[in-house]
Amino acid sequence: KQEVTQIPAALSVPEGENLVLNCSFTDSAIYNLQWFRQDPGKGLTSLLLIQSSQREQTSGRLNASLDKSSGRSTLYIAASQPGDSATYLCAVLYNFNKFYFGSGTKLNVKP
Amino acid sequence: ETGVTQTPRHLVMGMTNKKSLKCEQHLGHNAMYWYKQSAKKPLELMFVYNFKEQTENNSVPSRFSPECPNSSHLFLHLHTLQPEDSALYLCASSQVGQGAETQYFGPGTRLLVL
Repeated sequence: KQEVTQIPAALSVPEGENLVLNCSFTDSAIYNLQWFRQDPGKGLTSLLLIQSSQREQTSGRLNASLDKSSGRSTLYIAASQPGDSATYLCAVLYNFNKFYFGSGTKLNVKP
Repeated sequence: ETGVTQTPRHLVMGMTNKKSLKCEQHLGHNAMYWYKQSAKKPLELMFVYNFKEQTENNSVPSRFSPECPNSSHLFLHLHTLQPEDSALYLCASSQVGQGAETQYFGPGTRLLVL
């Protein structure tokens, strides 16, 4: 059974810090991997998508990397801001359209 | 974000009630999904519809009944639910077969079963 694990479960940092969120998956035969953001009581917003053939993707202050062989991905957030406070979810797509999600990392950036 | 809409946003129901959740996508996608999000648990895929046909039922109890009348609309009919069914129910859509597949999520329906 495919499993997606995210650590840490929660993270609190002062504004301006660079931080790394981790995601690991048990089955490396992925189609793609995505990072989502979820604000309290809201739906999910896609941040970055990495195809299985890619190593990383960047969008603004966000950089996501993918190492399929080790079953890992990281989301790097540079110069964190209070507006970055949210839950970050990692999702892995296996064959066709079955997504498996991690439990998320709840990030709090303190002013 | 208005690409995927869900109604109602909040719902309180008793265990003997029958209610329905509605989802509509305005993105021209060919696949729609229902997910359940409970506190401190990963998002759980419930149902998948591709081109209006159900292709996935992830061992969901029969008290949850999906309906997809067309590629833009998805319903989740609820009856005789249990308190443990209280959760955030999220709808999503995607365009299958385009390579860079991503899902677009609605805001969710917060369900409380008393």
